[in-house]
Amino acid sequence: AQSVTQLGSHVSVSEGALVLLRCNYSSSVPPYLFWYVQYPNQGLQLLLKYTTGATLVKGINGFEAEFKKSETSFHLTKPSAHMSDAAEYFCAVKRGSSASKIIFGSGTRLSIRP
Amino acid sequence: NAGVTQTPKFQVLKTGQSMTLQCAQDMNHEYMSWYRQDPGMGLRLIHYSVGAGITDQGEVPNGYNVSRSTTEDFPLRLLSAAPSQTSVYFCASSSPGQTDTQYFGPGTRLTVL
Repeated sequence: AQSVTQLGSHVSVSEGALVLLRCNYSSSVPPYLFWYVQYPNQGLQLLLKYTTGATLVKGINGFEAEFKKSETSFHLTKPSAHMSDAAEYFCAVKRGSSASKIIFGSGTRLSIRP
Repeated sequence: NAGVTQTPKFQVLKTGQSMTLQCAQDMNHEYMSWYRQDPGMGLRLIHYSVGAGITDQGEVPNGYNVSRSTTEDFPLRLLSAAPSQTSVYFCASSSPGQTDTQYFGPGTRLTVL
């Protein structure tokens, strides 16, 4: 069975600092992995995804994530945080062959200090 | 395109009442899903559909019914609301040709008293 663990329910960084949000997965087959962002009072939108190929994936708004099979990790990073990055971030793994069977982590709330 | 739309945005129910949350998409997506979001628990899959006339249960289906009579619409029915169903509900759609990217609606915030 596939599952996702996000380490840290709340992360706070200063504006301009490195953002690192951690995600570990368990999967019995090569996974499809996703990061979604949710701004206050909005639905989720896709930041980036890993399916196959290059393990370093670049997404929108300067975010990127690296798939590390040996560590079963898919951590999200951004070199320099901006105030507009404050949001909740969800890591997700695709389960099975159906696109509808996507399992989400519990989320990490990112706060940015001025 | 409007994308994925959900109505209503907010709803307050009394225990035992029934209601239907509406979801529609205009992207001709085959796959549609319903999730509930609770603090500290992420999103949990309630029901999903891989096409008109086909539905299946997700992780937390109890107390909810769905149907998919058209490609565009995927309503979620609460037959007898309970306080444990207080949550934010999100509908999502995707197409197998778009490598699993799900598009989410803005959500419905439901409170059951």
